[in-house]
Amino acid sequence: EPEVTQTPSHQVTQMGQEVILRCVPISNHLYFYWYRQILGQKVEFLVSFYNNEISEKSEIFDDQFSVERPDGSNFTLKIRSTKLEDSAMYFCASDRGGYNEQFFGPGTRLTVL
Amino acid sequence: LAKTTQPISMDSYEGQEVNITCSHNNIATNDYITWYQQFPSQGPRFIIQGYKTKVTNEVASLFIPADRKSSTLSLPRVSLSDTAVYYCLVGPSNGNAGNMLTFGGGTRLMVKP
Repeated sequence: EPEVTQTPSHQVTQMGQEVILRCVPISNHLYFYWYRQILGQKVEFLVSFYNNEISEKSEIFDDQFSVERPDGSNFTLKIRSTKLEDSAMYFCASDRGGYNEQFFGPGTRLTVL
Repeated sequence: LAKTTQPISMDSYEGQEVNITCSHNNIATNDYITWYQQFPSQGPRFIIQGYKTKVTNEVASLFIPADRKSSTLSLPRVSLSDTAVYYCLVGPSNGNAGNMLTFGGGTRLMVKP
């Protein structure tokens, strides 16, 4: 069964450093998403991406965040200058659109020191 | 988006049927009801989706009364591996468009031996 993959599984970085989280969505999916979950809290939507552009973004997704689909398979989330409060699990998801059945990856645990 | 309310936690024993009810009084005409499951340190996983009456798949059943102001996820004969957080989500199916998912706090189900 096809699945969404994410790398790395765990990333530790110093405050102020840039990080890039990588995702490979399911190949025939058209819509791509990033969510995050701070430990013990809700899963929060960050951004959705379709046809090489952002379609929706939340208030969390400020100028420090960017997304890119650099080739036909990868989907990346970049945080330019990490803050302590960026520490969270980051989940990538993808779907074909329409019916809310999104497929989530296993997540990247980001720890900012 | 319609607000959802579900119990914070539930306990059950192996082999029992578990019913988790979600209230969504402000559900809109074009909203669907979707349930996701999340194990610790993993991404959410789609379980089931419905619009009205009853939907059943190999994992669960979803009961939706005529007024659609609530829904009940039914897990038959749970096992220890069903211990997880279960999220009820309500939102539109946008045809060919992607959808940001809004997660609440979910119901933490603990299955005991």
